[in-house]
Amino acid sequence: AQSVTQPDIHITVSEGASLELRCNYSYGATPYLFWYVQSPGQGLQLLLKYFSGDTLVQGIKGFEAEFKRSQSSFNLRKPSVHWSDAAEYFCAVGADQAGTALIFGKGTTLSVSS
Amino acid sequence: NAGVTQTPKFRILKIGQSMTLQCAQDMNHNYMYWYRQDPGMGLKLIYYSVGAGITDKGEVPNGYNVSRSTTEDFPLRLELAAPSQTSVYFCASSYTGGDGYTFGSGTRLTVV
Repeated sequence: AQSVTQPDIHITVSEGASLELRCNYSYGATPYLFWYVQSPGQGLQLLLKYFSGDTLVQGIKGFEAEFKRSQSSFNLRKPSVHWSDAAEYFCAVGADQAGTALIFGKGTTLSVSS
Repeated sequence: NAGVTQTPKFRILKIGQSMTLQCAQDMNHNYMYWYRQDPGMGLKLIYYSVGAGITDKGEVPNGYNVSRSTTEDFPLRLELAAPSQTSVYFCASSYTGGDGYTFGSGTRLTVV
């Protein structure tokens, strides 16, 4: 079955510390992978996406993610977290095939402590 | 560009009432989607459309209906509202099936 797992429901990181949010997927076709961020009361904003090529992708707001096919993972990282990064983060998987839509993980809530 | 516009932002319905959630996009995107978001559950796909006149069910379609008469609009209809439909509803669009989505700001619906 196609699925996305975000093992961490809630993570707290000190401001200035590094961040890694985990994402594992199960998908039959060659996956397209995405990370989205949602601030409270807002819609989802695309952080970055991976289709093919270089397995380390750069996104907005200083985020990056690494695709590891052998581990079926697409973890999100940031070297130094800012208080404004506190939000909910969603990993999603899909394919460029008619009749498909993104499958989302349940999300990881990031809190940033001072 | 306005992107994806959803109306209303908030709504309270009584059990058994009906309503339509509006979604419009001005990016000439072929693909449009409706998701519902419940706390701790992520986003679940309700319906999607790959173009005007074409719609298909997602993971949780029961109690909902959609239509896609134009490229721009993709309304979601709730018939006979039930408390289980209390949720935040997001509309999204993309140019192709493999593109990242552009999301609307959501409609928070409460059924009492």
